[in-house]
Amino acid sequence: DTAVSQTPKYLVTQMGNDKSIKCEQNLGHDTMYWYKQDSKKFLKIMFSYNNKELIINETVPNRFSPKSPDKAHLNLHINSLELGDSAVYFCASNPRGGDNEQFFGPGTRLTVL
Amino acid sequence: GDSVTQMEGPVTLSEEAFLTINCTYTATGYPSLFWYVQYPGEGLQLLLKATKADDKGSNKGFEATYRKETTSFHLEKGSVQVSDSAVYFCALSDRSGYSTLTFGKGTMLLVSP
Repeated sequence: DTAVSQTPKYLVTQMGNDKSIKCEQNLGHDTMYWYKQDSKKFLKIMFSYNNKELIINETVPNRFSPKSPDKAHLNLHINSLELGDSAVYFCASNPRGGDNEQFFGPGTRLTVL
Repeated sequence: GDSVTQMEGPVTLSEEAFLTINCTYTATGYPSLFWYVQYPGEGLQLLLKATKADDKGSNKGFEATYRKETTSFHLEKGSVQVSDSAVYFCALSDRSGYSTLTFGKGTMLLVSP
């Protein structure tokens, strides 16, 4: 019954590797997001997709490539991982922009060694 | 651009104490305002929201009033519990098209018995 799910929950990898994080929502929402939370808990938007189309890309390095195979999924692929990519990544969704509440996944803690 | 400023933590209180976490914002137009809570090891959950001036959001004993004249949305609770220990995030949504959330840096609340 999980509304927004992410896999994996933890990801530990070496610098230079390529990794993916998956996100799925079963709420029927149109819009999905990726946020990055750094070690000081600061949250920043990375991407927003609406019905599989990229809407917002907040100056994220092009090593990060989101992919939305359908409106229920928004995956995040990261190439050539760097130490500074270590963070918690949150997926979120809502029915539309505006006032609607965003529903967050449990997060994926990425550690780059 | 939009920004949210909230008081730095940690805020340390004894059980049943009164809580205030200050939040001020800068935005063009008339944003919606939110408080999210993040319990240890979990994702973010919406605590309360307000969509227009003088609206009061409330949930689980927490309250916040949208004050346009002071651009503030302070979070209050009359009597905190140990289970309220978490990180609290103030956020705004600018409501323009596919809006995203702009978060404050978060305030950690620690409540001791």
